[in-house]
Amino acid sequence: EAGVAQSPRYKIIEKRQSVAFWCNPISGHATLYWYQQILGQGPKLLIQFQNNGVVDDSQLPKDRFSAERLKGVDSTLKIQPAKLEDSAVYLCASSLGYRGREETQYFGPGTRLLVL
Amino acid sequence: GNSVTQMEGPVTLSEEAFLTINCTYTATGYPSLFWYVQYPGEGLQLLLKATKADDKGSNKGFEATYRKETTSFHLEKGSVQVSDSAVYFCALSDLRRDDKIIFGKGTRLHILP
Repeated sequence: EAGVAQSPRYKIIEKRQSVAFWCNPISGHATLYWYQQILGQGPKLLIQFQNNGVVDDSQLPKDRFSAERLKGVDSTLKIQPAKLEDSAVYLCASSLGYRGREETQYFGPGTRLLVL
Repeated sequence: GNSVTQMEGPVTLSEEAFLTINCTYTATGYPSLFWYVQYPGEGLQLLLKATKADDKGSNKGFEATYRKETTSFHLEKGSVQVSDSAVYFCALSDLRRDDKIIFGKGTRLHILP
């Protein structure tokens, strides 16, 4: 079974530039998550999708971050414009998505972003 | 709100030593508890989980018991290997309220040959 795919693996940009990350979840997984992991910290949830709808985006800095999952499968996360403090690893995860049941989230390898 | 506190690292041990990584949590509901591991250059992987009090999760020689009375979920392994070197994250999720996972800050483990 293929895992969660993410691209690119690494990205270096200058502040005020834009950047986009892509995630393809495990086939059949309804729930998709984007996390931000700053060096030395645990991952922090940015946004959660159930199919193509947003379930939770309470910690997404909406003035500069946006995410979409138009067809309920793959997803993109965009930062525009980037700031130095956005340097982090951006993790995508997916799960089957049955609410109220035991869920395991499967994580992709992450995209490491460095903002100069 | 819900939170997870785990011991700070790095933790450095010799091969075959006994490992304990402490984790305590604060939660208002009935959370499930997890340990995730992140090997160098790889993504997070679920190591083990426990969904109710007194459950013991185990995998790859690692164990953790869900202790409601002490709000703890300490990770243990009887004899560590060099290949166990990684960052370990304790996490919780109240699956009956939402699917959001709250992670601790992680503990880096170095195993010396």
